[in-house]
Amino acid sequence: EPEVTQTPSHQVTQMGQEVILRCVPISNHLYFYWYRQILGQKVEFLVSFYNNEISEKSEIFDDQFSVERPDGSNFTLKIRSTKLEDSAMYFCASSVSAGVNSPLHFGNGTRLTVT
Amino acid sequence: AQSVTQLDSHVSVSEGTPVLLRCNYSSSYSPSLFWYVQHPNKGLQLLLKYTSAATLVKGINGFEAEFKKSETSFHLTKPSAHMSDAAEYFCVVSDSTGNQFYFGTGTSLTVIP
Repeated sequence: EPEVTQTPSHQVTQMGQEVILRCVPISNHLYFYWYRQILGQKVEFLVSFYNNEISEKSEIFDDQFSVERPDGSNFTLKIRSTKLEDSAMYFCASSVSAGVNSPLHFGNGTRLTVT
Repeated sequence: AQSVTQLDSHVSVSEGTPVLLRCNYSSSYSPSLFWYVQHPNKGLQLLLKYTSAATLVKGINGFEAEFKKSETSFHLTKPSAHMSDAAEYFCVVSDSTGNQFYFGTGTSLTVIP
């Protein structure tokens, strides 16, 4: 069965550095998402992306964050100038279409540790 | 606004006994609800979904859930637990567009041999 793949599985970075988290969505999917889960807290929506632009974003997704689909397969989340509180598990997801009849398929996540 | 509350952070059952993971939702419209499972070092896998069709929803691995509007609940059940069911389970409600999913805090299921 096709999967969403995320790399790396674990990223350690120093405060103030930039990180790029990478995702390869399922090939025929058109909608892409990033979620994050701070340890011990809920999984939170960050951003959704369709047709090469952001369709929705949460309050968490401020100017520090950006997303990009640089080619036909990758979907990246960039965090500029990381902060300690950015430490979390970041999940990429994709779906065939929008709407509740097209559930999200999640990757295994990237654990980001900011020191 | 949409939200879900998972009433138990940890549930422990013996192998072969029934599983009940509780979820209550809050939604300003007719909701779509999902259960996802997360095994250690794995991604979130869809177990089942409710999208205003039959109120009793059957999912993978023998799980099912019943949507009860009067109780605003969507509890996950399985008649007989298996060791491989040990995982974290998330109840999720989506917004009306299906673009945003709102997760519960998760229930960790332990299965005792």
